[in-house]
Amino acid sequence: KQEVTQIPAALSVPEGENLVLNCSFTDSAIYNLQWFRQDPGKGLTSLLLIQSSQREQTSGRLNASLDKSSGRSTLYIAASQPGDSATYLCAVRPGNQAGTALIFGKGTTLSVSS
Amino acid sequence: KAGVTQTPRYLIKTRGQQVTLSCSPISGHRSVSWYQQTPGQGLQFLFEYFSETQRNKGNFPGRFSGRQFSNSRSEMNVSTLELGDSALYLCASSLEFGTGAETQYFGPGTRLLVL
Repeated sequence: KQEVTQIPAALSVPEGENLVLNCSFTDSAIYNLQWFRQDPGKGLTSLLLIQSSQREQTSGRLNASLDKSSGRSTLYIAASQPGDSATYLCAVRPGNQAGTALIFGKGTTLSVSS
Repeated sequence: KAGVTQTPRYLIKTRGQQVTLSCSPISGHRSVSWYQQTPGQGLQFLFEYFSETQRNKGNFPGRFSGRQFSNSRSEMNVSTLELGDSALYLCASSLEFGTGAETQYFGPGTRLLVL
């Protein structure tokens, strides 16, 4: 059974710091991995999607990497800003079933202070 | 293009009642998935619909059901509400089903409180 774990559960950093969020999954048979952002009381915003054949994806100050063999992904945020404060969720789409069902980690809540 | 919309945004019900939540996907998207988010369990997959057929189902009791209409809009229903059903219910849409490359776009959610 696929399980997704995110460590740490919470992280506080000063503005301007570069940071890395970690995601691990137990079964390497995945179609893709997505990183989402969730602001308090809101829905999810997709940040990056990495296909199983890819190693990384970049969007602006965000860079996500994927190592399927070790079951790990990292989300790198450069030059953090207070507006980056949110909960970041990692989700994998299992490769052994059709459909778009995602299995989520419980997230890392990031707080960036000015 | 408008995003995924969910109605109502907030709902208060009492134990034993039933509730229906609605989701309108992004125009042109044909797959709709539902998720339950609670502080304890996080985000859990409920079910997925494509072409008016349930294609995938999570590990939830039969009190949770759904359907999809010909215009891809979807509803989910929870009967005989329990206190533990209090949660944020999120709907997500994607263009297709089963290709492995779909990005899911989430709505703002319906927050259900069961008293």
